[in-house]
Amino acid sequence: QKEVEQDPGPLSVPEGAIVSLNCTYSNSAFQYFMWYRQYSRKGPELLMYTYSSGNKEDGRFTAQVDKSSKYISLFIRDSQPSDSATYLCAMSKPAGNQFYFGTGTSLTVIP
Amino acid sequence: GAVVSQHPSRVICKSGTSVKIECRSLDFQATTMFWYRQFPKQSLMLMATSNEGSKATYEQGVEKDKFLINHASLTLSTLTVTSAHPEDSSFYICSAAGTSHNEQFFGPGTRLTVL
Repeated sequence: QKEVEQDPGPLSVPEGAIVSLNCTYSNSAFQYFMWYRQYSRKGPELLMYTYSSGNKEDGRFTAQVDKSSKYISLFIRDSQPSDSATYLCAMSKPAGNQFYFGTGTSLTVIP
Repeated sequence: GAVVSQHPSRVICKSGTSVKIECRSLDFQATTMFWYRQFPKQSLMLMATSNEGSKATYEQGVEKDKFLINHASLTLSTLTVTSAHPEDSSFYICSAAGTSHNEQFFGPGTRLTVL
């Protein structure tokens, strides 16, 4: 079993829709949770960074962490065609600096 | 966020040659740099972790004599793919971390094609 599971999609939504992206994990030691956006042939760009459980909001983006269920989510409100990209979840433990990535979910927002 | 650059962005080489990829943190001192490779439609695979001034730590299955990593300064790490073969063709991405190890800033990636 992989430590981090993420549905690769692809996910296709109309412009303006609310998008929900999710990852599950198996290691309860993970404390830091990140979401990255990666455009085609580019490096990942950090979108959201959350420590432990709870919600974090930044503009149209909301990250949620439910440690009891080992489940994290990224919500995108009022999705735009420019949001079309691959979204990667990542997580890490307090000790050490290795990141554990999901496989990424490919999102297309249709105008 | 911090800015990390990579050079070159794309390289095509003949089988058997060596290729060097540079990763620079432009506006902060990176105590740790990471090298990943990514195949099409797949996630990032960590190859090695390097700390400035010390030897890199390689992940299981990654040949350290084939993928030479040097982290000579707090702003520069290099990955050299020695005697490259077509199966080494991939997208190589570096990331840099400062004192907060739970944030990594990624470079734009280098696409290597070995003919």
